[in-house]
Amino acid sequence: GQNIDQPTEMTATEGAIVQINCTYQTSGFNGLFWYQQHAGEAPTFLSYNVLDGLEEKGRFSSFLSRSKGYSYLLLKELQMKDSASYLCAVRDSGAGSYQLTFGKGTKLSVIP
Amino acid sequence: GAGVSQSPRYKVAKRGQDVALRCDPISGHVSLFWYQQALGQGPEFLTYFQNEAQLDKSGLPSDRFFAERPEGSVSTLKIQRTQQEDSAVYLCASSPRKGTRDEQYFGPGTRLTVT
Repeated sequence: GQNIDQPTEMTATEGAIVQINCTYQTSGFNGLFWYQQHAGEAPTFLSYNVLDGLEEKGRFSSFLSRSKGYSYLLLKELQMKDSASYLCAVRDSGAGSYQLTFGKGTKLSVIP
Repeated sequence: GAGVSQSPRYKVAKRGQDVALRCDPISGHVSLFWYQQALGQGPEFLTYFQNEAQLDKSGLPSDRFFAERPEGSVSTLKIQRTQQEDSAVYLCASSPRKGTRDEQYFGPGTRLTVT
């Protein structure tokens, strides 16, 4: 099975940098996704890490350490529109497994 | 191009009624997923289709839940004899290739309220 932990809520200031952590304990691991979900809307893809290290994409970066079961999403130059929930999701490595296991999400509030 | 669409967007059902939720994935996408999302929680996997084949239904919570994708495109999630605990947002997602290695494109969801 999979167990994924993320902070429930975070608050940060417009223009600042925020790091959202995700830890996981899994029976198998084959990659980690980050999705953004605005209230009442569908999740949208942000990043995918399968190897250790940092993946950078504009204002958003994601880091993975497989040995530590740890990932973070880094958001730079925060904007008000970044207020949303951020979901960490782990991809299982088991044969015939088609599940993504999502964390409960971190609700980020960006304040002026 | 068109994204994933779902209908209805909102559904209110009385306990014991049957409901059917529709998903139109992105044209040509091989994989289709259904998730259940309770308020304040992340999406929970229900079932997976690769074209018309239902390869994983391990997340369906009971035998009242049934999903199909008969022609490998549109999918329907059916819930029989709805219960209050079925109240949630039901999300459909599709992706271009087999399995979970691609990003998933989510629809807007159907919010089901069972009274």
